[in-house]
Amino acid sequence: SQLAEENLWALSVHEGESVTVNCSYKTSITALQWYRQKSGEGPAQLILIRSNEREKRNGRLRATLDTSSQSSSLSITATRCEDTAVYFCATDRNMGYKLTFGTGTSLLVDP
Amino acid sequence: AQTIHQWPVAEIKAVGSPLSLGCTIKGKSSPNLYWYWQATGGTLQQLFYSITVGQVESVVQLNLSASRPKDDQFILSTEKLLLSHSGFYLCACARDRGASDYTFGSGTRLLVI
Repeated sequence: SQLAEENLWALSVHEGESVTVNCSYKTSITALQWYRQKSGEGPAQLILIRSNEREKRNGRLRATLDTSSQSSSLSITATRCEDTAVYFCATDRNMGYKLTFGTGTSLLVDP
Repeated sequence: AQTIHQWPVAEIKAVGSPLSLGCTIKGKSSPNLYWYWQATGGTLQQLFYSITVGQVESVVQLNLSASRPKDDQFILSTEKLLLSHSGFYLCACARDRGASDYTFGSGTRLLVI
């Protein structure tokens, strides 16, 4: 069964707009991460947010975590074409030995 | 910062043939290492992890095996490929022991025909 999943399979926005990707998970976690994977590449970590944190920022990226509703969001402001990628949330509940990825949300940023 | 080199970049192999994929980590000693598999358009599924030389834990059974012959090397292999083995294989290294933020390699694209 899915331990983490993004809520939408695909999103499309125009360059400069803001976008939010949501993720829900089903078990207790020690941390939740957001990764970005561009076509043909390995994923790259964007943000790690621990279970005792509510918000984390990294430049134009902002992640939130709500442990009561077991959900997280990743917001990107002022999107650029190079933000086009698949965005995954990933959860960890076993001291880093098993990171479980969601199904991913494909984001297309149009010029 | 650690870097991960995966080889080969891509392979086309026949069903029933053997396979060996490799991963070398630079810039980190005694890293926790992981193999992930990704079907085209799919999520990443963890296959194996290793926290030390000679020790590998299997997460899912996909008729694959893994070995860690050196501190900086992780090998994924099988003696008989199946069509279902096609996909994208990714090696990852944890930033620190017990940490769950990973650095991924650039992957190996495998097509089994």
